[in-house]
Amino acid sequence: DSGVTQTPKHLITATGQRVTLRCSPRSGDLSVYWYQQSLDQGLQFLIQYYNGEERAKGNILERFSAQQFPDLHSELNLSSLELGDSALYFCASSPGPPGQGAYEQYFGPGTRLTVT
Amino acid sequence: GEDVEQSLFLSVREGDSSVINCTYTDSSSTYLYWYKQEPGAGLQLLTYIFSNMDMKQDQRLTVLLNKKDKHLSLRIADTQTGDSAIYFCAENDSWGKLQFGAGTQVVVTP
Repeated sequence: DSGVTQTPKHLITATGQRVTLRCSPRSGDLSVYWYQQSLDQGLQFLIQYYNGEERAKGNILERFSAQQFPDLHSELNLSSLELGDSALYFCASSPGPPGQGAYEQYFGPGTRLTVT
Repeated sequence: GEDVEQSLFLSVREGDSSVINCTYTDSSSTYLYWYKQEPGAGLQLLTYIFSNMDMKQDQRLTVLLNKKDKHLSLRIADTQTGDSAIYFCAENDSWGKLQFGAGTQVVVTP
């Protein structure tokens, strides 16, 4: 158990809908990262937050957004869902700020999103 | 751009050593990582190595880094059936985000 929790574990929804994925980082970790894992794209970095602020963006679609709250949990919002958004979405956390330390990232169990 | 490459498949007999290879392109990476993913599970951090090191050993795991060739390897000694999984190599950028390879599926046969 990495200490990172994600809910829900599975999500099935229809095209055009909007969903929210939730992540709680390990106790004491200030950085949260979101990744998408799909068969055709592999593991892709989406977005990073540190202590409530967005720090880096990767291949995140405009239909997707995220935020990190004062209690450090994070939510990833996916809207106008398409079939191609079906994937595993992972959250990871690490202790320190970007630029310091080993950045070891501990991953949650993921949320499997199926868009029908 | 950044790119991490791994071979896609490795078959190994139980008790033998496994060696998984990876090449990366971002010479500014400060750390390189190995993650393990079992079916239906998340990614488990196995080990990582600082870019100024050549080798790191952790129980059955040995990581070798050739910075000149940008080549990273993971050796698993005495491979067991529980080692069957997908292994991902990753490099970090200056913000800490990870760039992953496509993963190497390791199948351990009796």
